Amino acid sequence: DIVMTQSPDSLAVSLGERATINCKSSQSVLYSSNNKNYLAWYQQKPGQPPKLLIYWASIRESGVPDRFSGSGSGTHFTLTISSLQAEDVAVYYCQQYYSTPPYTFGQGTKLEIK
Amino acid sequence: EVLLLESGGGLVQPGGSLRLSCAASGFTFNSYAMSWVRQAPGKGLEWVSAISGTGGAAYYADSVKGRFTLSRDNSKNTLYLQMSSLRADDTAIYYCAKAIGVIVVDNYFDYWGQGTLVTVSS
Repeated sequence: DIVMTQSPDSLAVSLGERATINCKSSQSVLYSSNNKNYLAWYQQKPGQPPKLLIYWASIRESGVPDRFSGSGSGTHFTLTISSLQAEDVAVYYCQQYYSTPPYTFGQGTKLEIK
Repeated sequence: EVLLLESGGGLVQPGGSLRLSCAASGFTFNSYAMSWVRQAPGKGLEWVSAISGTGGAAYYADSVKGRFTLSRDNSKNTLYLQMSSLRADDTAIYYCAKAIGVIVVDNYFDYWGQGTLVTVSS
């Protein structure tokens, strides 16, 4: 199974500042035939289900603010929030969906306001 | 509007059984694979099981293989998870999630239900 490891486990950032969350996969999730990275990011606020933010490593889901961006390829990926807002306080998860299951998630990164 | 409504959670003794349901609306149900993802209290997300849009293919996490059975009734737009031989470590919120394609390949999840809590305890 592909193991997903996020860093850091928790992060405190001041309002208006940049937040960066990293995700590493134990094997490449880049499919060479289509040059797509099979990596998604989700946001989970307390008491709510996860919400899709980013798919194919860098494509923002409809309705997601453009301060959220995804980057990376192969085994190393990053979720960046360019200017942190109070409503961005949440736990963020990466997920690989390379080929058939099992699909695996990172352990989560808790983002708080400094 | 896509809606996923889970039900069937509750308190069950170790070794017992439970059936979860997920009623779907707002999209063509048989055109999309579906998954269950669970979250133990205070923990992260764990994918549990997935089924293709036709119901012809199902996959399971090793942690539930042989104990859980995933099925769907496309005439009722409903997904089911039959859970048996339940253990304390199955205690979690179980989320129903819609995939972005009909087959169980390359699935990320664009819609999630609110979840149903399963507690396994004596």
